[in-house]
Order: sequence, then structure tokens, then C-alpha cells
Amino acid sequence: DAGVIQSPRHEVTEMGQEVTLRCKPISGHDYLFWYRQTMMRGLELLIYFNNNVPIDDSGMPEDRFSAKMPNASFSTLKIQPSEPRDSAVYFCASSPSLLSGRARETQYFGPGTRLLVL
Amino acid sequence: GENVEQHPSTLSVQEGDSAVIKCTYSDSASNYFPWYKQELGKRPQLIIDIRSNVGEKKDQRIAVTLNKTAKHFSLHITETQPEDSAVYFCAASTSGGSYIPTFGRGTSLIVHP
Repeated sequence: DAGVIQSPRHEVTEMGQEVTLRCKPISGHDYLFWYRQTMMRGLELLIYFNNNVPIDDSGMPEDRFSAKMPNASFSTLKIQPSEPRDSAVYFCASSPSLLSGRARETQYFGPGTRLLVL
Repeated sequence: GENVEQHPSTLSVQEGDSAVIKCTYSDSASNYFPWYKQELGKRPQLIIDIRSNVGEKKDQRIAVTLNKTAKHFSLHITETQPEDSAVYFCAASTSGGSYIPTFGRGTSLIVHP
């Protein structure tokens, strides 16, 4: 298994531009999480999905952030318009389903997208 | 909701020494406590976990202890090596509940050769 896949790995953009981050979870995982990591705030949970349905988006900073999961193998996190304070590393993670026989609580992180908004 | 406090934020040791990182949690319903290691520029990865039905778990040079009464758990690394240098995160969640972990703020461990 290739693990959780994220793209792009690095993104540099200018303030006001739209940014779209992409994630492909591990096949058979039914939970998907989006995190933001900064030195100041640590690892913050932004939103998570179960079976493609958003369950809790209370961590999304503001309306400029949106996330979708159109199917079990793909999710996006969009920032529009982007601001310098959005600069961070964004991680996607997934967790196994109950039927997989693996520890449901374990989170498998992707390599992250390093975002810099100028 | 759950609140996880982690200390210290930075820990510097000499190679061969032991390192201990401590976490406290607030929700008595939490029963699953994983530890993740994040090397510089890499993703967090699970290194060890413990469930509330045991008090200690070991895996080679790392061990985790849990005190349910006091609501705290600790990561112990013995005979530290430079490759142990990383940020370590503790977390707490409820198996059978939402499974969603609450992470601590992380501890940056530096092992000096």
C-alpha cells in the first residue's frame, strides 16, 4: 500500500489566490482527517469525514476554508482567498474501518503539504 | 471535550541517557493513548500505544506507562540515540466512541552525541 498520498508537497502562492490541497486516503480506511501544523498552534484538527460525510468542521478557521470528500478515495481542502497567516504544513490522515481488523484509532498521516502564502 | 497537556515542550539529553515525556488528560472516558514521533520535515508516525486495561507497555527501548486514577501517561526512552531526536506527540481518544484523538502540543527531543 502506498500510504496516504497528498499533493502538492509544496505550494507557494500570493495572498488572495485560491489554494487547493488534495488527499488520497489508504484504501479501506473510512475516516479522513485534515490537520494544520504550525509552530505557534501545534497540530490542529480542521475537519474530519466518516464514510465521505463531514462529521465535525468546528476546527475550520473561517469561511475561507472548505473541504470536500466526493468519494472514498479523494478529498480536497480549499482556501479562498488565501492569506499569509494560512502558511503552515497541512496534513491529511486516515484511519482503518472496523471491518479491516486493524486498530481503528491509529492515524496514518500523509507526507503533508507545505504552504507558503506571500 | 478532552484536553491533553504535554510536558516538557523541549527536552535535551546526552546520548545514552533516558528521556521521559509526560501527558495529562481530562476526560475519564478516554481509554486509548498513542504516541507519535515526527522527525524533522516528515509526517507523524505511531511508535507505541497503550489501552486503559494495562498499566505499562514496552517495545525495545521505548515504554509507556498509564495511571488512570491520576489521568496521566508517560513515554520513556532508554539509551537514547541521536536518531531519537524528533518531536513526540501524545494523544488520547475513546475506543468505542468517536475514536478521534486529541493531541498534546508536542515535545521536541534533542539527543546530543
